[in-house]
Amino acid sequence: AQSVTQPDIHITVSEGASLELRCNYSYGATPYLFWYVQSPGQGLQLLLKYFSGDTLVQGIKGFEAEFKRSQSSFNLRKPSVHWSDAAEYFCAVGSGTYKYIFGTGTRLKVLA
Amino acid sequence: KAGVTQTPRYLIKTRGQQVTLSCSPISGHRSVSWYQQTPGQGLQFLFEYFSETQRNKGNFPGRFSGRQFSNSRSEMNVSTLELGDSALYLCASSGRDYGYTFGSGTRLTVV
Repeated sequence: AQSVTQPDIHITVSEGASLELRCNYSYGATPYLFWYVQSPGQGLQLLLKYFSGDTLVQGIKGFEAEFKRSQSSFNLRKPSVHWSDAAEYFCAVGSGTYKYIFGTGTRLKVLA
Repeated sequence: KAGVTQTPRYLIKTRGQQVTLSCSPISGHRSVSWYQQTPGQGLQFLFEYFSETQRNKGNFPGRFSGRQFSNSRSEMNVSTLELGDSALYLCASSGRDYGYTFGSGTRLTVV
């Protein structure tokens, strides 16, 4: 069955520290992979996406993600977290259609 | 360019009523998808429309329906509302790049 797992429900980091959010997927076909961020009461904003090619993808707001096929993972990273990064982050997987499967999200808290 | 616009932002309905939510996609985007977001179930795919045709459908009962107009604007309708239909309903549009642009959502509360 197709699925996306974000094992960390909550993560707390100090401002300026590095961040890694984990995402594992199970998908039969070659996946399209996405990371989205959601602020309270808002819709989701696309941070980055991977379809093919270079497995290290750069996104907006200083985020990057690395696709590792052997580990079925697409982890999101940021070298130095800012207080404004506090939000909920969603990993998603799809194919050539628009029926995406989203993970359950990781809520990030940033300590000043 | 303007983003995805969803109206209304907030809605309170009574059980048994029906509701219609509206979504205007980014200009030029022909694909519009709808998702339901709840604390318990997370983000669940409802359906996707492309050029006025439903192309994909999620696992929701027939009370949930949608349509798309020739200008790509989309509506979704929920009939015979239940308490469990209380959720944030998100619309997303996409062009050729398969990446969604989401609207801010409609918060539906069923009482």
